[in-house]
Amino acid sequence: KAGVTQTPRYLIKTRGQQVTLSCSPISGHRSVSWYQQTPGQGLQFLFEYFSETQRNKGNFPGRFSGRQFSNSRSEMNVSTLELGDSALYLCASGWGLESYEQYFGPGTRLTVT
Amino acid sequence: AQKITQTQPGMFVQEKEAVTLDCTYDTSDPSYGLFWYKQPSSGEMIFLIYQGSYDQQNATEGRYSLNFQKARKSANLVISASQLGDSAMYFCAMMRSGAGSYQLTFGKGTKLSVIP
Repeated sequence: KAGVTQTPRYLIKTRGQQVTLSCSPISGHRSVSWYQQTPGQGLQFLFEYFSETQRNKGNFPGRFSGRQFSNSRSEMNVSTLELGDSALYLCASGWGLESYEQYFGPGTRLTVT
Repeated sequence: AQKITQTQPGMFVQEKEAVTLDCTYDTSDPSYGLFWYKQPSSGEMIFLIYQGSYDQQNATEGRYSLNFQKARKSANLVISASQLGDSAMYFCAMMRSGAGSYQLTFGKGTKLSVIP
C-alpha cells in the first residue's frame, strides 16, 4: 500500500512569488491536513480538508490557501512569499471519520530567498 | 485550548537500554487521542503509537509503549532495547475529537541520541 506522497520535495522561491505544493493521500483516505514546521514555531496546523471541503483552519494569514480534489489529492498554495515562509510543509492523511490515525508524507522543504 | 509539553529538549541513551520520553498535555475535551511520532533527519514524520482517552490499557507497538496516566495528564513514550536507528526527534501530539475535524497539536519535541 503506497504511503502519502508530496511533490516537490524541495523548492526554492524568491520573495513575492507564489508556490503550490501537492499531496496525495493513502488510497481510501479522505482527510488531508497540512502542517508547517519551522525551528522557531515548531509544528503548526494550517488546514484540514475532507471530501473537498475545508473543515478546519489554523491561525495563518490568507496568503495560505488550499483545496482538495475529488480523488482526495490536495494542493496548498502560498501567495506573495515572505522569508518567514521558509519551512518544511508536511501533509497528513487519514480516514477522517471516527478514526484518529494520521500518516504523514515526507514533506516539502520550501526555501524563500 | 490544547497544549502539549515535552520538557526534555534532548536525551542520551545507551544502545540496548530502555528510555522514557516525557509528555504532559492539557485539554478540557473529554475525548481525545494521543500520538507519538518519530522524525529522523530526513524530515518525514513516522507514526509510532496511539492512545485513545477512553482506552483502558496502555498502547504497545513492538518496542514502543505508551505509559498513559489520565489523572496526571501524562502520556510518556517508553522505547525498550534502544537501537542506533532510534536516534531522531520525537514528538508527542494530541488530537481532539467530536468537532468533526482532525487537528493535531504538537509538543516541541525531544531529540534522542542513542550511544553505541
